[in-house]
Amino acid sequence: DVKVTQSSRYLVKRTGEKVFLECVQDMDHENMFWYRQDPGLGLRLIYFSYDVKMKEKGDIPEGYSVSREKKERFSLILESASTNQTSMYLCATSLPTGSTYEQYFGPGTRLTVT
Amino acid sequence: AQSVTQPDIHITVSEGASLELRCNYSYGATPYLFWYVQSPGQGLQLLLKYFSGDTLVQGIKGFEAEFKRSQSSFNLRKPSVHWSDAAEYFCAVTTSGTYKYIFGTGTRLKVLA
Repeated sequence: DVKVTQSSRYLVKRTGEKVFLECVQDMDHENMFWYRQDPGLGLRLIYFSYDVKMKEKGDIPEGYSVSREKKERFSLILESASTNQTSMYLCATSLPTGSTYEQYFGPGTRLTVT
Repeated sequence: AQSVTQPDIHITVSEGASLELRCNYSYGATPYLFWYVQSPGQGLQLLLKYFSGDTLVQGIKGFEAEFKRSQSSFNLRKPSVHWSDAAEYFCAVTTSGTYKYIFGTGTRLKVLA
C-alpha cells in the first residue's frame, strides 16, 4: 500500500512566522500535490510537482512556495503565515500522468494561524 | 467552465437504509471520475473510479457508482448504510494528459442508529 505521511497533524503558528509542512511518500511516485481544504470549497490545488526540483503552480499559489529536493519528499512553505491561511492541508501522490490517475492522500495537517 | 457539483451538502440516513450521493460534472474532455471518502480528521481514501467500459463500477466498502454520460452524472450508491459510513464524500474529475483534478465541495453523511 502507498503510504503518505505528513509531519504534523495539528500545527499552531503566529502571524508572520515561516511555516514548513512536510510530506513524505514511500511508493516512488513521480507526482506530488499540495491541496488546501476549506469547508464549502472542497479541495483546491496549491502546487504540483512531477519530478525532483520541478514544480507547477496550482489554482491558489499566492503566499505559498514548495520544495522538492528528493523524490519522496515534498514541502509546502508559508513564507509569512497569515490568518487566512488557517486551513487543512492535504498532500497527495500519484503515478505519472497517463497512468492510473488516482491520487493517494496523506492524513492532513490542520494549521491554525493566530 | 470545468466544474463538479455535489448538490447535497448534508445527508442524513438511518442505518440500514439505502444511500445515493449525487455528482454532476461539466467537463470538455472525456472524464475520468472518482469518489473519495474522508473520515473525520483523516485524508481522502479512494472508493472507486471510472475510466471507461462498464458504466456501473464497484468499489470498496460495498459502494457502487453509475456513470451516465447523457446526464453528466456519476452518482454514488450503497444499498444498506452502516454507522461507520458516516464521513464526507468527494466526487472528482480529471482527464487524459492532465494532472489536475477538479473536486466537488463534498457531501457530509450522517448515519442515525
